[in-house]
Amino acid sequence: RKEVEQDPGPFNVPEGATVAFNCTYSNSASQSFFWYRQDCRKEPKLLMSVYSSGNEDGRFTAQLNRASQYISLLIRDSKLSDSATYLCVVNTGRRALTFGSGTRLQVQP
Amino acid sequence: GAGVSQSPSNKVTEKGKDVELRCDPISGHTALYWYRQSLGQGLEFLIYFQGNSAPDKSGLPSDRFSAERTGGSVSTLTIQRTQQEDSAVYLCASSPSGARGYGYTFGSGTRLTVV
Repeated sequence: RKEVEQDPGPFNVPEGATVAFNCTYSNSASQSFFWYRQDCRKEPKLLMSVYSSGNEDGRFTAQLNRASQYISLLIRDSKLSDSATYLCVVNTGRRALTFGSGTRLQVQP
Repeated sequence: GAGVSQSPSNKVTEKGKDVELRCDPISGHTALYWYRQSLGQGLEFLIYFQGNSAPDKSGLPSDRFSAERTGGSVSTLTIQRTQQEDSAVYLCASSPSGARGYGYTFGSGTRLTVV
């Protein structure tokens, strides 16, 4: 089983739609969680950290469910510019972060 | 510098040759990481440096791969006797600390093609 698992997608949604991605992790001792965004042929960039109580940044909401070991990212009012691959990132107990393979989002006009 | 700088941005090399990839982290960041990403795949951890501590080399795929970090700043990743399966984008990242709560800032990567 992979340490961090994501649905690869692609998720094809119209502009203005709400879309949600889930991610599961295997190590129950994991303590840090992040969502990164990666545009085609670009480096990953930190989108937001994920806190135990859940957190919001504009149209983006991240939630953590420790009991079920999953993390979610909700994007409201999708924009064309949101089209990218979204990477779920977890500290699994090793010293370096572990990246999921990503979920591809394509927002269509 | 303002961001993580990597060079070269692209490298084409012949199978069997050695290559060196360079990473200049954000000034003041004590933690430095190397990952690689093959086409359409996720990020694979290679090696991690934290201050003056011994590096975590647990992700290096073979003894053809090595890395060093001089003076706690610039790092070089060396691949000896390159193979076609080494073709990938090699990404360097840094963070203010090795502590778990910090996200990473990545450089734009070196795209390595072994022909």
